[in-house]
Amino acid sequence: GQQLNQSPQSMFIQEGEDVSMNCTSSSIFNTWLWYKQEPGEGPVLLIALYKAGELTSNGRLTAQFGITRKDSFLNISASIPSDVGIYFCAALNYGGSQGNLIFGKGTKLSVKP
Amino acid sequence: NAGVTQTPKFQVLKTGQSMTLQCAQDMNHNSMYWYRQDPGMGLRLIYYSASEGTTDKGEVPNGYNVSRLNKREFSLRLESAAPSQTSVYFCASRTGTFGYTFGSGTRLTVV
Repeated sequence: GQQLNQSPQSMFIQEGEDVSMNCTSSSIFNTWLWYKQEPGEGPVLLIALYKAGELTSNGRLTAQFGITRKDSFLNISASIPSDVGIYFCAALNYGGSQGNLIFGKGTKLSVKP
Repeated sequence: NAGVTQTPKFQVLKTGQSMTLQCAQDMNHNSMYWYRQDPGMGLRLIYYSASEGTTDKGEVPNGYNVSRLNKREFSLRLESAAPSQTSVYFCASRTGTFGYTFGSGTRLTVV
């Protein structure tokens, strides 16, 4: 089946550093999404990408939809302690009447003040 | 602005017991989903409902059943709980091309 390979699995960084994580697949997708999950909560959508090559920002977060449609990356600039959480990539194809979201296994981010 | 509401938040079951996890959304979304989240495994789709009256299996449906009671509600039932079903369960809903909206999860332990 379709799989998303997300890396790195975890990151330990100092406050103020920039962060980069990515997601790759052997399959082509129409939509890439990035979610953040904080402890005890469900994932919350950060950024949605709908077009190959698209670069979208949300505050200090920037994500890109790879030109091959098989990958995406997320950058966080000038990290702060509240960036701590698990970041998931997700991808979707709109085939037929239903497209189901598949998820990467997540990148756990720890930020040291 | 409740979004997606899941109940209960926590549950402990004995092996062989049954229970139903409830999910309701107030956003008038057509599609609803049940995922389970296990450490290091990401989120895996159990069942989904593309619209009221329809349900389909996802990646890991064994041991579960679902009911789409109406447009708002989508329940997940464990008929005979097993320790392998210890997990965090998330309900989500979606309409159109927008990303899914998730509930805050049900933490289930089967002993």
